[in-house]
Amino acid sequence: EPEVTQTPSHQVTQMGQEVILRCVPISNHLYFYWYRQILGQKVEFLVSFYNNEISEKSEIFDDQFSVERPDGSNFTLKIRSTKLEDSAMYFCASSGGPGTEAFFGQGTRLTVV
Amino acid sequence: AQSVTQLDSQVPVFEEAPVELRCNYSSSVSVYLFWYVQYPNQGLQLLLKYLSGSTRVESINGFEAEFNKSQTSFHLRKPSVHISDTAEYFCAVTSGGATNKLIFGTGTLLAVQP
Repeated sequence: EPEVTQTPSHQVTQMGQEVILRCVPISNHLYFYWYRQILGQKVEFLVSFYNNEISEKSEIFDDQFSVERPDGSNFTLKIRSTKLEDSAMYFCASSGGPGTEAFFGQGTRLTVV
Repeated sequence: AQSVTQLDSQVPVFEEAPVELRCNYSSSVSVYLFWYVQYPNQGLQLLLKYLSGSTRVESINGFEAEFNKSQTSFHLRKPSVHISDTAEYFCAVTSGGATNKLIFGTGTLLAVQP
């Protein structure tokens, strides 16, 4: 069964450092997403990506965040200068389009110290 | 804009008892509805979905949910729970639209006790 894969599963970084979270979406999907879940809280939408550009972003997704699909298979989330409050589980997801379900990766737990 | 309300943050239940996890949504347009399950230290797995057609949908492990448009609800039920059903359950909604983004509820922890 096709699945979304994320690496690394856990990343520890120092405050102010840049991190890149990586995802390989399901190969025939066209819509890609990043969500985050702060410990004990709900899953929040960060950004959606379609046709090689951001289609929507939340207010959480400020200038410190960026996404990229560098090679047609990977989908990355970069945080330029991490803050303590960026500590969370980050989920990548992909879907075939409107009205279809999104498939989620296992997540990357980011810990900023 | 859509929103999802899961009023119960935690539902304790004994094994083999029935359970209902409540989900209400708010939207000015037609929606698609989902239940995702998150087992301890794992990612989100799709449990079941309502896209169109029959308002009652079932999962392979005995869960079911019914879309009620008039009450804007999509409650999740199981007639007899197992210890292995212990997990966090998230209700989510999307209008589809240009981005198909999901809006999640705050989650309900189903705690099954022996």
